[in-house]
Amino acid sequence: AQKITQTQPGMFVQEKEAVTLDCTYDTSDPSYGLFWYKQPSSGEMIFLIYQGSYDQQNATEGRYSLNFQKARKSANLVISASQLGDSAMYFCAMREGRGSGTYKYIFGTGTRLKVLA
Amino acid sequence: EAQVTQNPRYLITVTGKKLTVTCSQNMNHEYMSWYRQDPGLGLRQIYYSMNVEVTDKGDVPEGYKVSRKEKRNFPLILESPSPNQTSLYFCASSKGLLQGAPKYQETQYFGPGTRLLVL
Repeated sequence: AQKITQTQPGMFVQEKEAVTLDCTYDTSDPSYGLFWYKQPSSGEMIFLIYQGSYDQQNATEGRYSLNFQKARKSANLVISASQLGDSAMYFCAMREGRGSGTYKYIFGTGTRLKVLA
Repeated sequence: EAQVTQNPRYLITVTGKKLTVTCSQNMNHEYMSWYRQDPGLGLRQIYYSMNVEVTDKGDVPEGYKVSRKEKRNFPLILESPSPNQTSLYFCASSKGLLQGAPKYQETQYFGPGTRLLVL
């Protein structure tokens, strides 16, 4: 069954340091997309970064990068130079099922990140 | 402004009283979806729609109905709400997947959420 696993329920990081949030996935579909979303305490879902299964290079968006290791089925989010505003819940998600003509999204349970001043 | 809107944002109701949560997007997106978010469980997909008149079940469809009569609207219907449907609900939309399309077309954009309490 398709699955997203985030093993870190909560993490702390010192301001200005880098932090890695773990995400592993499981799918038998050769075509899939991986996403990270941020949910601050205000509740909205903010898209951060995307990686396609056929993309050769790791995705980067400003201070966010996605460490994509296809053989290990991992898609870890790296936040460089953490800021206090990065304190939030982070969700890893996967889009799968493209080959069948329909597709679904699956989310992990999230990692709550707290940035310390 | 490109956005996904949901109404109402907050709702308190009683068991068995039918309710509808509306969702509308102004980006001409083909794909729309409903999720519920519960503590410790992340987001779980309830229903999704690939296009007008095309809907399908997600992982937790029981107790919910949807319809997609227009491209921009995707209402979520709870025919007989129960307390276990107390949750935070999100609507989302994306352009959809096309062969050779830019990768960001599959990125979902979320509405602000609807917090539902069923007594």
